[in-house]
Amino acid sequence: AQSVTQLGSHVSVSEGALVLLRCNYSSSVPPYLFWYVQYPNQGLQLLLKYTTGATLVKGINGFEAEFKKSETSFHLTKPSAHMSDAAEYFCAVSDKDTGRRALTFGSGTRLQVQP
Amino acid sequence: NAGVMQNPRHLVRRRGQEARLRCSPMKGHSHVYWYRQLPEEGLKFMVYLQKENIIDESGMPKERFSAEFPKEGPSILRIQQVVRGDSAAYFCASFGLAEVNEQFFGPGTRLTVL
Repeated sequence: AQSVTQLGSHVSVSEGALVLLRCNYSSSVPPYLFWYVQYPNQGLQLLLKYTTGATLVKGINGFEAEFKKSETSFHLTKPSAHMSDAAEYFCAVSDKDTGRRALTFGSGTRLQVQP
Repeated sequence: NAGVMQNPRHLVRRRGQEARLRCSPMKGHSHVYWYRQLPEEGLKFMVYLQKENIIDESGMPKERFSAEFPKEGPSILRIQQVVRGDSAAYFCASFGLAEVNEQFFGPGTRLTVL
């Protein structure tokens, strides 16, 4: 069975500082990998995804993530935080091997951005 | 092109009542997932439906919960005899054959059981 671990349920950074949100997965084969953002009382919006090819993936709003197979990680980064980045971020995986596309989510990381 | 729509956005029920949550997928999408988000937790898969078919219901509680996606109309998630532990946000997501690796999420229905 797949699982996703997001280290740090709350992360606080200053505006303009580097954002680093950690995600590690457990899967028998490398899965498809996703980062979603959720603003208060809203649904989830896809930030970026890795399915195949280049391991450094660029997404919306200046975010990027790098798939590291050896570390089973898919950490999300942004060079310079903006106040509007304050939200909850979810890492998710789906099964590449079987084609089962139900997403398995981590428990989320709430990002606070201090002025 | 309208996104995934869910209604109601907020639903309050007393213990023992029934809750019906509706999801209209994006235009052209015939696959729907339902997820539940308990407070302070990530989303958990419940059920995967195609039009008129339940493909995977391995995440659904065995009792009181059911889902359907008829040929016409929205997908419905039905919870009978609700209990306080059913209070959560319920999200549906749809995808089409052109973007099988991306699910588009609705805004969710927040169910409160009194």
